[in-house]
Amino acid sequence: KAGVTQTPRYLIKTRGQQVTLSCSPISGHRSVSWYQQTPGQGLQFLFEYFSETQRNKGNFPGRFSGRQFSNSRSEMNVSTLELGDSALYLCASSLSTSGAQETQYFGPGTRLLVL
Amino acid sequence: QKEVEQDPGPLSVPEGAIVSLNCTYSNSAFQYFMWYRQYSRKGPELLMYTYSSGNKEDGRFTAQVDKSSKYISLFIRDSQPSDSATYLCAMSGTINNAGNMLTFGGGTRLMVKP
Repeated sequence: KAGVTQTPRYLIKTRGQQVTLSCSPISGHRSVSWYQQTPGQGLQFLFEYFSETQRNKGNFPGRFSGRQFSNSRSEMNVSTLELGDSALYLCASSLSTSGAQETQYFGPGTRLLVL
Repeated sequence: QKEVEQDPGPLSVPEGAIVSLNCTYSNSAFQYFMWYRQYSRKGPELLMYTYSSGNKEDGRFTAQVDKSSKYISLFIRDSQPSDSATYLCAMSGTINNAGNMLTFGGGTRLMVKP
């Protein structure tokens, strides 16, 4: 079974631009979560989508948004990029049939550099 | 103060040693506890998953959870150079379908020397 895939793997943008990252979950998985990983703050939860609805949201500004499609694929968007948005953005998927914690499988991440 | 504290290391041990990795936390609502391993330039890989207090063993890995002390541990027996990675503890609760909202420790970098 194919794992979680994320595209693109690397991205360079300049301040003020916007960016869209894509995540394809494991086949059959309905929940997709997004995390930001930086050396200073570590791994931080951004948001989770389940059945095309945002189910949980972390403490990030409104510049960070996401969506999920009917096939469970998800995208996250960051508008008006800041230097501090440079990070590894990780996507994780799970079956999530009950809403309780279920095993999450992470993708390889998209490394974003903002210049 | 962060909700989950983890010594960043690096922790350097000789091959074959027993490794002990630990996390403390402050949120008593956490009920699910996980350990992830992350190699450089890769996404985290789930190693161990524990619900509530107790021990769980899987091969060379043993996870312990002490909810009364808000303390979790991961033990690695007969450590190998291939175990060299960053180990992340993660936790979640179950209120309001927040089970998939993981809170991570900062990670401990482990180096196993041949």
